[in-house]
Amino acid sequence: SQQGEEDPQALSIQEGENATMNCSYKTSINNLQWYRQNSGRGLVHLILIRSNEREKHSGRLRVTLDTSKKSSSLLITASRAADTASYFCATDAVGTYKYIFGTGTRLKVLA
Amino acid sequence: AAGVIQSPRHLIKEKRETATLKCYPIPRHDTVYWYQQGPGQDPQFLISFYEKMQSDKGSIPDRFSAQQFSDYHSELNMSSLELGDSALYFCASSLGTGAYEQYFGPGTRLTVT
Repeated sequence: SQQGEEDPQALSIQEGENATMNCSYKTSINNLQWYRQNSGRGLVHLILIRSNEREKHSGRLRVTLDTSKKSSSLLITASRAADTASYFCATDAVGTYKYIFGTGTRLKVLA
Repeated sequence: AAGVIQSPRHLIKEKRETATLKCYPIPRHDTVYWYQQGPGQDPQFLISFYEKMQSDKGSIPDRFSAQQFSDYHSELNMSSLELGDSALYFCASSLGTGAYEQYFGPGTRLTVT
């Protein structure tokens, strides 16, 4: 079964609003990474958070990790039209050397 | 900064043909991952290499094989291509298999006709 699942599957907001995406996973992990992908393009690395970390920031991005609930959230503050993309979480389960991607959230930011 | 390089960027093949995709990791990165992404789907892990040895394997068909060479570049060989193999194939690299960021290449779009 899939390691990571995200919700919502799609999100539409107005420019300037905040966007929150959630990722849940099933097994114990070493790390969790968030990526952005514009349609048909490559995956852009956003943030890596280790299993012993609870929160990380990068510019307008804030990622939290709750290992007890096996979930993570990505918050984009003051969204811009250029943030329109699909956002994926990817996790590497303990004992593995691979990242499993979630189903992704399609974010649309309306100008 | 140098990024992951993949070649070719686009490839069109017919059913039952073979294809070879190449990946050149970021300099000093010793770990390579391959992923397949179908239309509207999330990337699916295929296989990974660390220091030229296979480190993990996912849902990679037996028709596919891959290796990592002494200069750390990697090649994904696909034989007896099927229509369902049409997808974006991404390579990613990282500095080790631990808590290191994984950076993706631009992908190779394979179309099987």
